[in-house]
Order: sequence, then structure tokens, then C-alpha cells
Amino acid sequence: EAGVAQSPRYKIIEKRQSVAFWCNPISGHATLYWYQQILGQGPKLLIQFQNNGVVDDSQLPKDRFSAERLKGVDSTLKIQPAKLEDSAVYLCASSLDGRDQPQHFGDGTRLSIL
Amino acid sequence: QKEVEQNSGPLSVPEGAIASLNCTYSDRGSQSFFWYRQYSGKSPELIMSIYSNGDKEDGRFTAQLNKASQYVSLLIRDSQPSDSATYLCAVRGGGFKTIFGAGTRLFVKA
Repeated sequence: EAGVAQSPRYKIIEKRQSVAFWCNPISGHATLYWYQQILGQGPKLLIQFQNNGVVDDSQLPKDRFSAERLKGVDSTLKIQPAKLEDSAVYLCASSLDGRDQPQHFGDGTRLSIL
Repeated sequence: QKEVEQNSGPLSVPEGAIASLNCTYSDRGSQSFFWYRQYSGKSPELIMSIYSNGDKEDGRFTAQLNKASQYVSLLIRDSQPSDSATYLCAVRGGGFKTIFGAGTRLFVKA
């Protein structure tokens, strides 16, 4: 079974530039999550999709972050414009459902803002 | 107030010993509990899930859940240097939102 695919693995941009991350979940997984993990901290949920609908985006900074999962499969997360404090690892995870099943993570994208 | 709390460590144990990792949570409606292992520079990897009170064993790992005390723990028997990593506790609350603790760093000395 193929795991969660993410790209790119690394990205370096200057502040105020824009950046996009892509995620393809495990086949058949209805729930997709985007997390932000800052060094030394646990992952923080940014947005959770159930199929192509948003379940929770309460911690997504909506003035600069956006995410979509148009066909209920792969997803993109965008930051525009980036700030220095956005430097982090962005993790995508998926689960069969959003109730009891565990999440499985992709390798993440390490974002550095100069 | 943090919703999922873990001792940041580092927890240092000798090879072959039992490592005990603890986690407390604040949402009494929480139903699902997960332990993840995260090596430096890598993404979290699922170790165990536990849903009901008591112990659940999988190889060298045992998860323990006590909902009345809002406490979940992970025991690692016969600890190996390869177990050195950060262990993340994740709790799925009544609203199906999963919250991660900050993690406990474990160091197993050879």
C-alpha cells in the first residue's frame, strides 16, 4: 500500500513570497489533514477535510493560508504572503475516517523563510 | 491550559530497561488515543492506538489507558538504542479533532 505522498520535500523562499504544497493521501482514505510542526513542538492541525468538505479549519490563518481538496483526493496548501514565523515542517496525513482510525503521515515539507 | 500534556524529557534509560512515557489530557469526551514515534528530521510514525480502558500490548510496546484519570501511557520493554526518538501522544476528542502533545524525547543508552 502506497503511503501519503507529499511534495516538495524542501522549500526555501523569501518573506512575502508565496508557496504551495501538494499532498496525495493513501488510496481510499476519506479524511485528509494538514499540520504545521515547529521545531520542538507537536504537530498543530491547520485544516481537516472529510472527502472534499472542510471539517475543521479553526487554526488556519485564513488571511494568508488557504487549502483545497477539490475532488476529494489530493490536496494543496498555499501560503501567500509568507512570514518568517511560517518556517516549519508542513505535514499531510490521512485516515480512513475522521472518527476512530489513526492518521498516517507523509514525509512532510520543510519550509524555510529568509 | 494545554489540552494534551507530556513531559518533554529527555528521558534517559539504559539499554534493556523499561521506558515509561506518560500523557494527560483535558477533554473528558476523548475516545481515541494514539502514540507516534518521530525520529529527528522524520515524520511521525504510528506505534499504537488504544480506545478502551486497560492495557494493550504489541510486541515490546504496551499502551495503558485510564479514562477516569485522563491518563494514557506507553511502556517500551527491552529498550534499544534504536528506540531513541521523540514520542508523541495524540488524543481525539469528542469533536473528532486530534490534538498532539509536544512529545517526550527518549534516549536509550547502549
